[in-house]
Amino acid sequence: GAVVSQHPSRVICKSGTSVKIECRSLDFQATTMFWYRQFPKQSLMLMATSNEGSKATYEQGVEKDKFLINHASLTLSTLTVTSAHPEDSSFYICSARDIAEGVYEQFFGPGTRLTVL
Amino acid sequence: RKEVEQDPGPFNVPEGATVAFNCTYSNSASQSFFWYRQDCRKEPKLLMSVYSSGNEDGRFTAQLNRASQYISLLIRDSKLSDSATYLCVVNDYKLSFGAGTTVTVRA
Repeated sequence: GAVVSQHPSRVICKSGTSVKIECRSLDFQATTMFWYRQFPKQSLMLMATSNEGSKATYEQGVEKDKFLINHASLTLSTLTVTSAHPEDSSFYICSARDIAEGVYEQFFGPGTRLTVL
Repeated sequence: RKEVEQDPGPFNVPEGATVAFNCTYSNSASQSFFWYRQDCRKEPKLLMSVYSSGNEDGRFTAQLNRASQYISLLIRDSKLSDSATYLCVVNDYKLSFGAGTTVTVRA
């Protein structure tokens, strides 16, 4: 199946710092990427939908100024958690949709575990 | 009401047993459903799509009941490697995830 990578896989940072997470589709082009957050023992919650070349669409309750998304190319989307606080500690997962030849399956990255001290 | 609801379990079963669990969804117009598997601290991985007529993939059987708005997953002849959290997913352009059903298969 298609491969999606995320970097870094794990981040520990101090409160108030900003953290950038990269999501790359390695063997396909993804016009749409999704960013999810998962707290322990909870379901994945969609944070935003990232479209290449346009502004991201944020889900209700997700602050767009705090979670900056940039989808600059067909293979890369970045999520920046600005001024991170301990309550932002979570598992952040991206996914990418391969639309080539009608393939609409979403492929997930391995996730980034963020711990804010 | 949550968009997708699952029994969290856990379901503790011996090797070789059959285990089944359901997931209910709130949007009666939903058309596309999946089961994903998530291992501890890992990303979800697609297990199987769920088709209207029901479908099988090896030891896994998925069913859809539109009238009652639920989907089910049945695992036959459980293996130790089946231990995981199974996520019910409804695709209404964006994916809506259930919180997962945890299955533990013991030797």
